[in-house]
Amino acid sequence: NAGVTQTPKFRVLKTGQSMTLLCAQDMNHEYMYWYRQDPGMGLRLIHYSVGEGTTAKGEVPDGYNVSRLKKQNFLLGLESAAPSQTSVYFCASSLGYLAGFTDTQYFGPGTRLTVL
Amino acid sequence: QQPVQSPQAVILREGEDAVINCSSSKALYSVHWYRQKHGEAPVFLMILLKGGEQKGHEKISASFNEKKQQSSLYLTASQLSYSGTYFCGTEGRGSQGNLIFGKGTKLSVKP
Repeated sequence: NAGVTQTPKFRVLKTGQSMTLLCAQDMNHEYMYWYRQDPGMGLRLIHYSVGEGTTAKGEVPDGYNVSRLKKQNFLLGLESAAPSQTSVYFCASSLGYLAGFTDTQYFGPGTRLTVL
Repeated sequence: QQPVQSPQAVILREGEDAVINCSSSKALYSVHWYRQKHGEAPVFLMILLKGGEQKGHEKISASFNEKKQQSSLYLTASQLSYSGTYFCGTEGRGSQGNLIFGKGTKLSVKP
């Protein structure tokens, strides 16, 4: 099992360009998440999905869009990149909300994005 | 609201103990602890559930005070491999299925 994989690992964009980050998991998890991590800020939730075809906003959703067309994939899009979106992006997946609590989240290796 | 972790950073010698605290202003259903080494992804350590049940790691323990919405992570007889940044993630009413992570505590263990 590969677990959670992310593509690409690194990317440099110019302001105004668009791109899509791909997250894939092979654990048959229902829930998937996108976080961004900035120095001293911890992990902040951008968007999440509780199942195929569903998405919802997290703490910092502005400037991002997501899609979950297949259960195993969760895409994060930046339509018009800004320097403030320079960050490390982590995808995670989990079995979800079971028996009254959120199950373990498994993280991908991250994508380091720089917007010039 | 983002939980508050303390201390922000701690330096230990091998074999010393450390306590990392996580405090929330809202009622919690669960607290999760993760460790992240430099340049790597966060890795799960343990879950603490409302009602006191604890699931997770063999050599690291934790407590969860539901009344105070606080959790503490106890690292005893620290090893070099314990170095990294520790994050707590809290799950509260209205955010079931999601975690709100603290800003992290950087732990450095020296020989």
